[in-house]
Amino acid sequence: DQQVKQNSPSLSVQEGRISILNCDYTNSMFDYFLWYKKYPAEGPTFLISISSIKDKNEDGRFTVFLNKSAKHLSLHIVPSQPGDSAVYFCAVSTQGGSEKLVFGKGMKLTVNP
Amino acid sequence: DAGVIQSPRHEVTEMGQEVTLRCKPISGHDYLFWYRQTMMRGLELLIYFNNNVPIDDSGMPEDRFSAKMPNASFSTLKIQPSEPRDSAVYFCASRASGGPYNEQFFGPGTRLTVL
Repeated sequence: DQQVKQNSPSLSVQEGRISILNCDYTNSMFDYFLWYKKYPAEGPTFLISISSIKDKNEDGRFTVFLNKSAKHLSLHIVPSQPGDSAVYFCAVSTQGGSEKLVFGKGMKLTVNP
Repeated sequence: DAGVIQSPRHEVTEMGQEVTLRCKPISGHDYLFWYRQTMMRGLELLIYFNNNVPIDDSGMPEDRFSAKMPNASFSTLKIQPSEPRDSAVYFCASRASGGPYNEQFFGPGTRLTVL
């Protein structure tokens, strides 16, 4: 039973356009939401995060949106660059209590020059 | 500053053999996590430690898997005996308590192939 779902396995966009990556979760108790990026033969690296008290967090070209009522998280990359081509994982956790991160299965983003 | 270090990077072994994966967390981090990544199941948490003590091993698939953390700078994940279905990429991650958003720092992974 997947608690975190990334329903689209892949996305292809043109350089300079917007990339939108989506993530749905099932448990309203989740408080923290993170995005990780993974290049081949490397470990995932932290990209951006948001807490449940916010609905938007921006860091340069990357913006994460949180819709708590819909239990939906999205990552916007604009403008997309070829170097953004990677697998993106969303992850969720709860404040205090467990230190666990629960990850989605990932989405492969390809940005074409 | 060195990140999380894992060894070996690649391991090929035959079914039934013992496999030991190693991890050195980032200095000062008091949490250590072991994950397994497969195509079918994605990134799964196997076990995590806090201050060298195992806290949650509910993700360890079977008794064939065991993990230890003898000190703050070293952890092992052992599979004995190994089976072909154990083939996956195993990641180690660490974090410091009090950090925001439970952000974890991952090592480069060990790609395990069991023939």
